[in-house]
Amino acid sequence: DTGVSQNPRHKITKRGQNVTFRCDPISEHNRLYWYRQTLGQGPEFLTYFQNEAQLEKSRLLSDRFSAERPKGSFSTLEIQRTEQGDSAMYLCASSLEGPHNEQFFGPGTRLTVL
Amino acid sequence: LAKTTQPISMDSYEGQEVNITCSHNNIATNDYITWYQQFPSQGPRFIIQGYKTKVTNEVASLFIPADRKSSTLSLPRVSLSDTAVYYCLVGDGNNAGNMLTFGGGTRLMVKP
Repeated sequence: DTGVSQNPRHKITKRGQNVTFRCDPISEHNRLYWYRQTLGQGPEFLTYFQNEAQLEKSRLLSDRFSAERPKGSFSTLEIQRTEQGDSAMYLCASSLEGPHNEQFFGPGTRLTVL
Repeated sequence: LAKTTQPISMDSYEGQEVNITCSHNNIATNDYITWYQQFPSQGPRFIIQGYKTKVTNEVASLFIPADRKSSTLSLPRVSLSDTAVYYCLVGDGNNAGNMLTFGGGTRLMVKP
């Protein structure tokens, strides 16, 4: 296993279009997290899964955002009707269950909304 | 959640020891202190974690005084490749499945 992977690495879209990102976590990790990072800021938590269950969503995650982890393995993050303010790096991380466990981050998907 | 304060940026030279201090005055009893490193266009990477006193690994040392209201990340003999943003995080690991709360971080620039 080579770590957390994310696809695509870059996405350019026009305002109003829908986009979907994929995250493949480390195989034995049952926790999966999505974060968003804008230029010059630290990552902000969006949501997390334990296995296939989405257990927490940030207030940052508007109704246009939806995330799934259907079989408890890979996850997708969809943004509908994209807005210019959605332009950011979307980071996925995974970890083992339990407090204080290290989170392993993927390289991120950089979204640009024109 | 405990708020952290760290310098916005620091400069250093190759071969020097770098110490980055983070303040977390309202740290709670169950909180741990964790540092992550992030290179441009990459996701953050775990460096070190501790609860009290001193922790050392192959990459860095973490010094935590008895009152735990601050912590210092020490990077020995930095190289150009240590140029990155360093984030100090504080949490008890039980909030939203151990979600990480990042501040603005410290941008370390290592010069030749």
